[in-house]
Amino acid sequence: SYELTQPPSVSVSPGQTARITCSGDALPKKYAYWYQQKSGQAPVLVIYEDIKRPSGIPERFSGSTSGTMATLTISGAQVDDEADYYCYSTDSSGNQRVFGGGTKLTVL
Amino acid sequence: QITLKESGPTLVKPTQTLTLTCTFSGFSLTTNAVGVGWIRQPPGKALEWLAVIYWNDDKRYSPSLRRRLTITKDTSKNQVVLTMTYMDPVDTGTYYCAHRRTSRGVDYFDFWGQGTLVTVPS
Repeated sequence: SYELTQPPSVSVSPGQTARITCSGDALPKKYAYWYQQKSGQAPVLVIYEDIKRPSGIPERFSGSTSGTMATLTISGAQVDDEADYYCYSTDSSGNQRVFGGGTKLTVL
Repeated sequence: QITLKESGPTLVKPTQTLTLTCTFSGFSLTTNAVGVGWIRQPPGKALEWLAVIYWNDDKRYSPSLRRRLTITKDTSKNQVVLTMTYMDPVDTGTYYCAHRRTSRGVDYFDFWGQGTLVTVPS
């Protein structure tokens, strides 16, 4: 079965840049999506189609891809950005819809 | 404004069938390319996609859970129903429904309900 691999945790100080990676064999062909999930809340879409930001998402959130890796970058991370972040995509056929294992971002 | 809300039992006994309802507003499941999906999350664990139903009544299921899942829609009520048979304690978790969009062959979910916690006691 298809898998997306994320680091379990990332830690930065306030104001620093946080980068969360997601690797998957089909990412060169399929878009990556990123969700933010704060404790006790539903996930929120922060990046779609690799690099696009939904309305209302701060500009400090950006996405990029290179080969089989997608990256979520939070420039000038804030304490309020502490959350679990999940990447999402599909396998090359589009049949398997998969979330990554999640990355816990700590900002302190 | 798109909103979704899940409803159903909070406690289900092992081997029983779980039935969850997603009631939505702000869009119609009769509109071309629209869909609603279900995603779950065990406590402290990652999100897991379960199923999606499309405006044309096409359906897709997680390969690992396909035999236990059924997704249906009632467009007159703006509802989508998910049933999962043979519930087990490992099925304990929060179940979300979400509005589906598509781009270049990838389903994705842009608006989510608040989720409903389902517990299966051991």
